Amino acid sequence: NAGVTQTPKFQVLKTGQSMTLQCAQDMNHNSMYWYRQDPGMGLRLIYYSASEGTTDKGEVPNGYNVSRLNKREFSLRLESAAPSQTSVYFCASSRGPQKTEAFFGQGTRLTVV
Amino acid sequence: TQLLEQSPQFLSIQEGENLTVYCNSSSVFSSLQWYRQEPGEGPVLLVTVVTGGEVKKLKRLTFQFGDARKDSSLHITAAQPGDTGLYLCAANDYKLSFGAGTTVTVRA
Repeated sequence: NAGVTQTPKFQVLKTGQSMTLQCAQDMNHNSMYWYRQDPGMGLRLIYYSASEGTTDKGEVPNGYNVSRLNKREFSLRLESAAPSQTSVYFCASSRGPQKTEAFFGQGTRLTVV
Repeated sequence: TQLLEQSPQFLSIQEGENLTVYCNSSSVFSSLQWYRQEPGEGPVLLVTVVTGGEVKKLKRLTFQFGDARKDSSLHITAAQPGDTGLYLCAANDYKLSFGAGTTVTVRA
């Protein structure tokens, strides 16, 4: 009963390097989300996908790109990492875009040096 | 500036005391949700409120949605150390947006 699986759990990057955070859900959910969490800021929405084939910007999309590969998978890419992108990243999914419960992965702790 | 403003940011109380956390916005929502997050974990849903004026109870937790559907509150009665965590309100109108959260610490 995996739910939402994120990989990797920890990552250290050098400034300017690129990487992709992977997220997969096995609940047949339509909507998927990427957040970053910084101290005192709660969860800030980076990008979301209301359904397969669509993606939209959230509150803090600059420096990131996403791909909804299929219904199960939603990846987040950092093309040129910056120290300001040091954060904990969470992926989430929900049955639909409104009123439904969101389920979260365990998070990826990313440090950019 | 976040769409949802939560207060207070931090709350530290003794076991057995009561506490209230607030979530406010200038926008009207069709529903609001409350999540709790423990260290090293993702948030977990506690409740969804959908009707203005609605009150929902979950054991010692009471959730209220404002009449105008712009605000919500979470009240914990006789807090226990197990209630310690980060409490987040969220608006789920097409995209799921969170407030900054309230860190609650209940001392034994």
